[in-house]
Amino acid sequence: ETGVTQSPTHLIKTRGQQVTLRCSSQSGHNTVSWYQQALGQGPQFIFQYYREEENGRGNFPPRFSGLQFPNYSSELNVNALELDDSALYLCASSLDAQPQHFGDGTRLSIL
Amino acid sequence: AQSVTQPDIHITVSEGASLELRCNYSYGATPYLFWYVQSPGQGLQLLLKYFSGDTLVQGIKGFEAEFKRSQSSFNLRKPSVHWSDAAEYFCAVGAGTSGTYKYIFGTGTRLKVLA
Repeated sequence: ETGVTQSPTHLIKTRGQQVTLRCSSQSGHNTVSWYQQALGQGPQFIFQYYREEENGRGNFPPRFSGLQFPNYSSELNVNALELDDSALYLCASSLDAQPQHFGDGTRLSIL
Repeated sequence: AQSVTQPDIHITVSEGASLELRCNYSYGATPYLFWYVQSPGQGLQLLLKYFSGDTLVQGIKGFEAEFKRSQSSFNLRKPSVHWSDAAEYFCAVGAGTSGTYKYIFGTGTRLKVLA
């Protein structure tokens, strides 16, 4: 059974740029959730996708957007990057609601 | 509002000693509760979960947690800590609204194990 995989593992961008992070769900899972984990904090919910539709969003601006594909993999896109976007971005997949299984994350640094 | 509080930011224990990590939650309905562990540079690994039934739940790596509704707590315990348990531990409550199911996490407790 393949777990949740995320790519890339690390990324460095500058302010104003755009970034795309990718996530492959665990086999058999149909729901993907994205979280942002700032240094020293717990993960914060960004949004969730269920069967290719956005299924809820946390307190994040519209420049954070996503996609889920027919194979249930997912992308997180962030436009107009800001310094505060520097964080570990975690993807979690689940069959329907839970439990959510997390990948190792993408560490995004904004210069 | 839904929230999770982990009162201890750092905890240091000696190898072989017992461990208890505290977690308090605020949630209007019956909560689904989770403990995750995060090693440096890694994602979150699920240790255990509580959905319903027996309030003492067993997890992986010898961990257990007890749900106490009257105290709104879900404390994590281990009878004998190993050096490899050094990591950050997160408590989370599953919150479902309007078809969305998200996890609300505490700020974490960093565990240091002394040899």
